[in-house]
Amino acid sequence: DVKVTQSSRYLVKRTGEKVFLECVQDMDHENMFWYRQDPGLGLRLIYFSYDVKMKEKGDIPEGYSVSREKKERFSLILESASTNQTSMYLCASSPRGGRASYEQYFGPGTRLTVT
Amino acid sequence: DQQVKQNSPSLSVQEGRISILNCDYTNSMFDYFLWYKKYPAEGPTFLISISSIKDKNEDGRFTVFLNKSAKHLSLHIVPSQPGDSAVYFCAANEYDKIIFGKGTRLHILP
Repeated sequence: DVKVTQSSRYLVKRTGEKVFLECVQDMDHENMFWYRQDPGLGLRLIYFSYDVKMKEKGDIPEGYSVSREKKERFSLILESASTNQTSMYLCASSPRGGRASYEQYFGPGTRLTVT
Repeated sequence: DQQVKQNSPSLSVQEGRISILNCDYTNSMFDYFLWYKKYPAEGPTFLISISSIKDKNEDGRFTVFLNKSAKHLSLHIVPSQPGDSAVYFCAANEYDKIIFGKGTRLHILP
């Protein structure tokens, strides 16, 4: 079974803090993704990566950065957390290419609250 | 502008009846569509998919129908069970990314 794990289930941070959200997958997938989920807005793509050291902006990258130093690990960084970044953050992975790449495997999510 | 639209934020269905969740899309280049299911405090899980060359795909109680001319797909759940209460996301592929709709919350009533 594919397993995608996220470092924290719940996180509370203060405005202005630097926040790291970690994601690890164990299926040797090339593709990794970060989403945020907000009520009424669905899942919105923040950043994704097709390979180590590669990153692409998604639909809402502002205020975020990412790091992919190893294939299995994809980190989301909030450089200076703000209250409008309070959200559920979801990491996902998928293999590269073909139909299999469309079926993403998600982690359990991190509920981040910025006060 | 939204390329994948789920216009019903919520839906309530009696246990044992059919649940029909609808989804519309705007990009005729999409060639693969998926449905994901999400329980609270969990990540979404893949449920069922359909290629654009088909008009129906069935997996147990779940059937997805695709009407390309109308750019519309629907997920049918028969019979609906209490464990089906969840948020359902419709999605479509764009290269290696998928684009999600906003979701429909399904309540199965006893």
